[in-house]
Amino acid sequence: DAGVTQSPTHLIKTRGQQVTLRCSPISGHKSVSWYQQVLGQGPQFIFQYYEKEERGRGNFPDRFSARQFPNYSSELNVNALLLGDSALYLCASSSTHLRYNEQFFGPGTRLTVL
Amino acid sequence: AQSVSQHNHHVILSEAASLELGCNYSYGGTVNLFWYVQYPGQHLQLLLKYFSGDPLVKGIKGFEAEFIKSKFSFNLRKPSVQWSDTAEYFCAVIAFSGNTGKLIFGQGTTLQVKP
Repeated sequence: DAGVTQSPTHLIKTRGQQVTLRCSPISGHKSVSWYQQVLGQGPQFIFQYYEKEERGRGNFPDRFSARQFPNYSSELNVNALLLGDSALYLCASSSTHLRYNEQFFGPGTRLTVL
Repeated sequence: AQSVSQHNHHVILSEAASLELGCNYSYGGTVNLFWYVQYPGQHLQLLLKYFSGDPLVKGIKGFEAEFIKSKFSFNLRKPSVQWSDTAEYFCAVIAFSGNTGKLIFGQGTTLQVKP
């Protein structure tokens, strides 16, 4: 079975631009979470979606938004990019949004903002 | 706010040495605890998890962790490391205050095992 897939693998943008990152969960999983991992730090929670509804939001500005589609795939959008948005963006899928479900991580999208 | 602290940022060991990585969390309620590993060039993957019951948890590849509630700790151990254990290790917690699966990660420990 395919694991969590993310696209693109790498992305280079300039300050002020907008970016969209994509994630496809493991087949049968209905929940997707997004994390930001800055170099040298652990992943930080951005959003969690389940059944197309936002179930949790981390401490990120409104420039960050996300959505989940009927096929449970998800997009993370970041507007007005800042240099500090340069990071590895991880997507994780789980069967539900509940706390006891293991989250399976994708390979991430490496975003570089110049 | 909940937080996770990993005491060792960079650990260097020789093969066959014993490993213990420290992890402390700040949350007074019920928690679920995890250790994730990220091998070079690979995805984050789950090593082991604690939900309830026996505080000594065994995971994959010979790793184990002990939950000590009074110390808010969940240290990772392995009796004898191998070169293939070279990786980044993350401790994480889900607080019980909500049902959502929001993982809070520590800053990670880079383990380098010398052959």
